[in-house]
Amino acid sequence: DTGVSQNPRHKITKRGQNVTFRCDPISEHNRLYWYRQTLGQGPEFLTYFQNEAQLEKSRLLSDRFSAERPKGSFSTLEIQRTEQGDSAMYLCASSLPNTGGYHEQYFGPGTRLTVT
Amino acid sequence: AQKITQTQPGMFVQEKEAVTLDCTYDTSDQSYGLFWYKQPSSGEMIFLIYQGSYDEQNATEGRYSLNFQKARKSANLVISASQLGDSAMYFCAMREYSGAGSYQLTFGKGTKLSVIP
Repeated sequence: DTGVSQNPRHKITKRGQNVTFRCDPISEHNRLYWYRQTLGQGPEFLTYFQNEAQLEKSRLLSDRFSAERPKGSFSTLEIQRTEQGDSAMYLCASSLPNTGGYHEQYFGPGTRLTVT
Repeated sequence: AQKITQTQPGMFVQEKEAVTLDCTYDTSDQSYGLFWYKQPSSGEMIFLIYQGSYDEQNATEGRYSLNFQKARKSANLVISASQLGDSAMYFCAMREYSGAGSYQLTFGKGTKLSVIP
């Protein structure tokens, strides 16, 4: 049973460095979401892919953030010139299209980013 | 404007007792979905239960049930017969359709449940 996987699980970086996270969704899921969760808060939506197309971006996704899903399978989220405010858990979720109306999203374990 | 409100930052419950976690929501859409997720200390979000806005019956999944009161815009989670493994953060979320094909979730701030032996 392969769920959503994310790598790395933890990343510590210095301010100003670039970081890249990877998400591997469940294989037959064509919808992929990225969320960010800061301490004491619920996850907040960042961006959405349907297959390889990035169809939705939150205002939270500043121009230092870029996400790709080149072949409609795995996705990467890159943060350039990291700032301390970027410290958070980055969660990836995937779902099937129109799964009985649920559009249930299956979440990965997250990547915890700490910017020092 | 906050769309999902969870007013209980923390809750305690005795093992084997039932507990209700509150959630109210705000939307002008007629079609929407409400979810509850559990987040243990490991960080992964675990889907618990779903209620659609047109569902007439309250959703149930094992020990979890959702007390859906549409007119009051509330979707409270009831956990029966609490177990020590239920200790975790619980998030209420609403599915919204963005118009661009996205069904992103909007989450509340969560309730930390602690089960006491």
